[in-house]
Formats: sequence, C-alpha cells, structure tokens
Amino acid sequence: GQNIDQPTEMTATEGAIVQINCTYQTSGFNGLFWYQQHAGEAPTFLSYNVLDGLEEKGRFSSFLSRSKGYSYLLLKELQMKDSASYLCAALSNDYKLSFGAGTTVTVRA
Amino acid sequence: IAGITQAPTSQILAAGRRMTLRCTQDMRHNAMYWYRQDLGLGLRLIHYSNTAGTTGKGEVPDGYSVSRANTDDFPLTLASAVPSQTSVYFCASSETSGGADTQYFGPGTRLTVL
Repeated sequence: GQNIDQPTEMTATEGAIVQINCTYQTSGFNGLFWYQQHAGEAPTFLSYNVLDGLEEKGRFSSFLSRSKGYSYLLLKELQMKDSASYLCAALSNDYKLSFGAGTTVTVRA
Repeated sequence: IAGITQAPTSQILAAGRRMTLRCTQDMRHNAMYWYRQDLGLGLRLIHYSNTAGTTGKGEVPDGYSVSRANTDDFPLTLASAVPSQTSVYFCASSETSGGADTQYFGPGTRLTVL
C-alpha cells in the first residue's frame, strides 16, 4: 500500500521561511511531486524530484532523499498569496500518484 | 486554450439517483484521471484511462464507472448515488501514463448526496 505523511497545518509570518516535510512509503518509487492548492481551486504543479538533492525554482525549493523516503518543500520570502494547501504526492511503480492529505499553510501579516 | 473543464461546478443529488460528471480536455493528452478529495484524506484515485478506449480502476472505484470513447472526454458516472459519495471530484490529465508527466487538474465538481 501507499503511505504519505505530511503535517496538517503550519503558520508563518510574511517574509519568513517555512519547510513542509513529507515522508512516503510506496510500492516502488518513480519520483515525488509537490502541488499547491488554493481554497476552492484545483491543485497546480509546483515541483518534481526523482534524484536525491535540492531543486530550486524561485522562492520555492524541493528536496528529496530516496534512501530516507523523505522530501520537503521550502517556501522562502513568504507572501500572503502563498496561503494555500500544499500536497505531497509519490509516483509509484505503475506511474500512479498517491497523495498526502495536504498541509495548510497560513501566512500572517 | 481552456485546458481541462468539468461540469457541473456543483450539484446536490438525492440518494439513489444516477449522475454523470463531465470532463473534457483540449491538450490532446493521452492519460486522464478521476480523483475525489475529502477532508483529511487527500486526493484518492477513482479510475484512470491510459489512452482512448482503455480504462482502469484506482484506489476507490466502487460505485463509479468511466468510459473513454475519445481522447478529449472522460465522464464519471455514479449509477446510484449514496451519501458517502459526497465529495469534491477532480479530473486530471497528463501527456502520457507511463512516465513522470505532470498531471493537470480541472476546476472540480462539488457533489452533495442527500
């Protein structure tokens, strides 16, 4: 079976940094996706990691450790518009995504 | 270019009724997916289609059926709705099914079964 764990909620101040952790156990592994989902909207793609290490994309970075079954999404210079749910999803052997329940990030002024 | 559209946006349905959720994409993607999203459970795969003419079962297929007559459309049918099917339903598509292609999501359908 698939097991994807991430914290339920996080709160941070505008301009700060927040790190959202995700641990996964899947039937095989073909990479780790992060999606952003604003309330009442569709998930949108943020990042994909398949090799160990850090991928940086502007204010957002994503890290993967395959040996530890661990990833994190780093959000820097937080803005109010970053208030959203962040979904961790692991791609299994059959190329199907298993999603975590999502982490709701609230950015305070 | 619209991407993926879903209809209806929301629906209230009496238990026992039949309902079809529509999904259309204009990106010529081969693979399409139906998920449901429930609070605390995240997105769960209901059914998928790797290419037109083929479908497969996901994690929670019971009570749902799909068809894929052409590349663009992937309707989801609830033959006899039950209250536990109250959820937000998202359709998604990706260029292929056999790699790490990004899945693009439609705006969702909020379904309430009473």
